[in-house]
Amino acid sequence: EIVLTQSPGTLSLSPGERATLSCRASQSVSSNSLAWYQQRPGQPPRVLIYGASSRATGIPDRFSGSGSGTDFTLTISRLEPEDFAVYYCQQYGGSPRTFGQGTRVEIK
Amino acid sequence: EVQLLESGGGLVQPGGSLRLSCAGSGFTFSNYGISWVRQAPGKGLEWVSGISGSGGNTFYADSVKGRFTVSRDNPKNTLDLQMNSLRAEDTAVYYCVRWNGYGDYWGQGTLVTVSS
Repeated sequence: EIVLTQSPGTLSLSPGERATLSCRASQSVSSNSLAWYQQRPGQPPRVLIYGASSRATGIPDRFSGSGSGTDFTLTISRLEPEDFAVYYCQQYGGSPRTFGQGTRVEIK
Repeated sequence: EVQLLESGGGLVQPGGSLRLSCAGSGFTFSNYGISWVRQAPGKGLEWVSGISGSGGNTFYADSVKGRFTVSRDNPKNTLDLQMNSLRAEDTAVYYCVRWNGYGDYWGQGTLVTVSS
């Protein structure tokens, strides 16, 4: 099973700042099969990024994904008020599909 | 518009059974795999089970293998998750998710509480 470790656990930032979230895999994720999700309180997750760097439909271009192998990054270029939420990475290169434990982005 | 609507959650005693259902609309249901992903209160996400578009292939997490069974009825655009021998640690919101290896559309979820 591929274990995903996200860091930091919590990120305290102000609106307009840049957020950089990390997701590290215990073994290489084949074909860069990694997705990122955003979850706001009381809401289901929604996919932001798939294939490590492809934005999902309707996702603003301030969200970007990068990385390969075992190290992946989600960057939010300028935080908007609605971006303060919990973010999860998930790999689909191996079975079972696994999620990271999440990074909370909170208002500083 | 793609929609997934879960039903069937509730309170059940340890050792009991529950059947969750998911109704899909706004897409060609049989063309897509569907997964169940759960989230315990205040915790992260856990993939639980999946089924291929045809229904011919099913997949389970080790934590539920032998206790949960997933099935689908493509003419009715519905999916079921039969949960037996429920444990306290199965308490969670269960999401029905259209699955391409990752979840591109999620239902609102249904809460399952296992408690005496």
